[in-house]
Amino acid sequence: NAGVTQTPKFQVLKTGQSMTLQCAQDMNHEYMSWYRQDPGMGLRLIHYSVGAGITDQGEVPNGYNVSRSTTEDFPLRLLSAAPSQTSVYFCASSPLSSNEQFFGPGTRLTVL
Amino acid sequence: KQEVTQIPAALSVPEGENLVLNCSFTDSAIYNLQWFRQDPGKGLTSLLLIQSSQREQTSGRLNASLDKSSGRSTLYIAASQPGDSATYLCAVSNDYKLSFGAGTTVTVRA
Repeated sequence: NAGVTQTPKFQVLKTGQSMTLQCAQDMNHEYMSWYRQDPGMGLRLIHYSVGAGITDQGEVPNGYNVSRSTTEDFPLRLLSAAPSQTSVYFCASSPLSSNEQFFGPGTRLTVL
Repeated sequence: KQEVTQIPAALSVPEGENLVLNCSFTDSAIYNLQWFRQDPGKGLTSLLLIQSSQREQTSGRLNASLDKSSGRSTLYIAASQPGDSATYLCAVSNDYKLSFGAGTTVTVRA
């Protein structure tokens, strides 16, 4: 099992550019989610999904879109990047039965 | 809105000393509580998961307790080692959404 994988590991964008952060899991988990981690603020939930075709907003959804067409993949789209979106992004998955969360290695994003 | 607080923010101990990390939360209607370890520049590694019906979980030198009524959890690490140096995060789950504390950064001195 590869667990939860994220690509890319690092990314630099200019203000206004768009991009997609990829997340995939091979554990057949129903639940997937995206968090951002900023110094002094902990991790905050952006979007989450309880299954294919179902997504919902978390605490800080503005400026981000998600979709869940398969159980395995949960991409996060930045529509028009802003410097405030400079952060480390983590994807997580869990089975609905236990809700034990497994995290990916993260994507470090810098927006200039 | 669930608020999670971890005290202290940082802790430095000599090798061999026991570690006690605290986590408090405001909404006791949680599904579960999970403790994570994060090394600098790395992702989160799950240490222990306590379901809401449980009072504690143990794994090796780690023991975590949960008191839902008072909104508290404590992570004990016995006989600390320099390899235990990391940031420890507490997260509580409400309706499958995790709320995180800001973490306790632990340094174990050799």
